[in-house]
Amino acid sequence: EAGVAQSPRYKIIEKRQSVAFWCNPISGHATLYWYQQILGQGPKLLIQFQNNGVVDDSQLPKDRFSAERLKGVDSTLKIQPAKLEDSAVYLCASSLGYPAFFGQGTRLTVV
Amino acid sequence: QKEVEQNSGPLSVPEGAIASLNCTYSDRGSQSFFWYRQYSGKSPELIMSIYSNGDKEDGRFTAQLNKASQYVSLLIRDSQPSDSATYLCAVNQINDYKLSFGAGTTVTVRA
Repeated sequence: EAGVAQSPRYKIIEKRQSVAFWCNPISGHATLYWYQQILGQGPKLLIQFQNNGVVDDSQLPKDRFSAERLKGVDSTLKIQPAKLEDSAVYLCASSLGYPAFFGQGTRLTVV
Repeated sequence: QKEVEQNSGPLSVPEGAIASLNCTYSDRGSQSFFWYRQYSGKSPELIMSIYSNGDKEDGRFTAQLNKASQYVSLLIRDSQPSDSATYLCAVNQINDYKLSFGAGTTVTVRA
């Protein structure tokens, strides 16, 4: 079974630039999550989708972050404009109930 | 108060010893409990899940849950150098698939 696919693996951008991350969940998984993991901390949920609807985006900084999940499959997470404090690993995960399975993540460095 | 707290590390144990990791959670409605292992630079990987009070064993790993005390632990028996990683405790509530993570405990197994 193929796992959660994410791209790119690494990204370096200057502050105030924009960036987008892509995620393809495990086939058949209705729930998709985006987590942010800052170095030395546990993952923090940014947004949760159930099929193509948003279930929870309470911790998503909506002034700069946006996410969509078209057709209930792939998802993109965008940051515009980026700040230095957005430097982190962005993890996509998917699940069919419990548990959640994670992709390899995208390491973002904002300089 | 943080939702999920883990004992601060790092935890250093000699090869062959038992590593004991602790986690407490604040929400009494929490229903499902997970331990993820995260190697440096890698994504979290599920190693144990537990849903009811008591012990659950899987190979060298034992998870223990005490809902009255809001406490979950992970024991790693016969620790190996390959067990050196950060262990993340994750919790979710009934009818809610999203996970709340602790900050993680870093374990180093000395050969």
